[in-house]
Amino acid sequence: KAGVTQTPRYLIKTRGQQVTLSCSPISGHRSVSWYQQTPGQGLQFLFEYFSETQRNKGNFPGRFSGRQFSNSRSEMNVSTLELGDSALYLCASSYPSLAGMETQYFGPGTRLLVL
Amino acid sequence: DQQVKQNSPSLSVQEGRISILNCDYTNSMFDYFLWYKKYPAEGPTFLISISSIKDKNEDGRFTVFLNKSAKHLSLHIVPSQPGDSAVYFCAASPRGGGTSYGKLTFGQGTILTVHP
Repeated sequence: KAGVTQTPRYLIKTRGQQVTLSCSPISGHRSVSWYQQTPGQGLQFLFEYFSETQRNKGNFPGRFSGRQFSNSRSEMNVSTLELGDSALYLCASSYPSLAGMETQYFGPGTRLLVL
Repeated sequence: DQQVKQNSPSLSVQEGRISILNCDYTNSMFDYFLWYKKYPAEGPTFLISISSIKDKNEDGRFTVFLNKSAKHLSLHIVPSQPGDSAVYFCAASPRGGGTSYGKLTFGQGTILTVHP
């Protein structure tokens, strides 16, 4: 089975621009979660989607948004980029299971640099 | 408030010996615990997990121990190999739905170096 894929792998943007990142989950996985990793804050949860619905959201400003399509592929969007948005953005997918008992499998991440 | 803590930023071990990585948590609602291995600029790779109904889970060279009363878990790697050198993260998930959906809370990570 193919793993979680994320595109693009690397991205350079300037402040004020917006960016869209894409994630394709493992076949059969319907839950997709997004995380931001920075040296100072570690891995932090952004949001989770299941069956095209956002079920959970972390403590990030409204500039961070996402969506999920009927084939479970997901995108996240960051508008009005700030320098502090430079990070590794990770997508993870999981197979439906008992809530709180799901093993998440991560993609390789998208490295975003905001100049 | 850091709910999952890995107090050792780094650990150095000789090849063939045991590596023990530790993790403490504060949230008593955490019910499922996972360990991930991560190389720089790559996504975390799942290693092993344990639910709160167990106190031990083994998979090959990896064993995870859970002490619920102490809110402590540890990952044992035996024997350690140079290829195990990476950053190890523990993560936790609370029971039930709602705000637990899809959310793992991660520790800050421990850098493991295994010397040949």
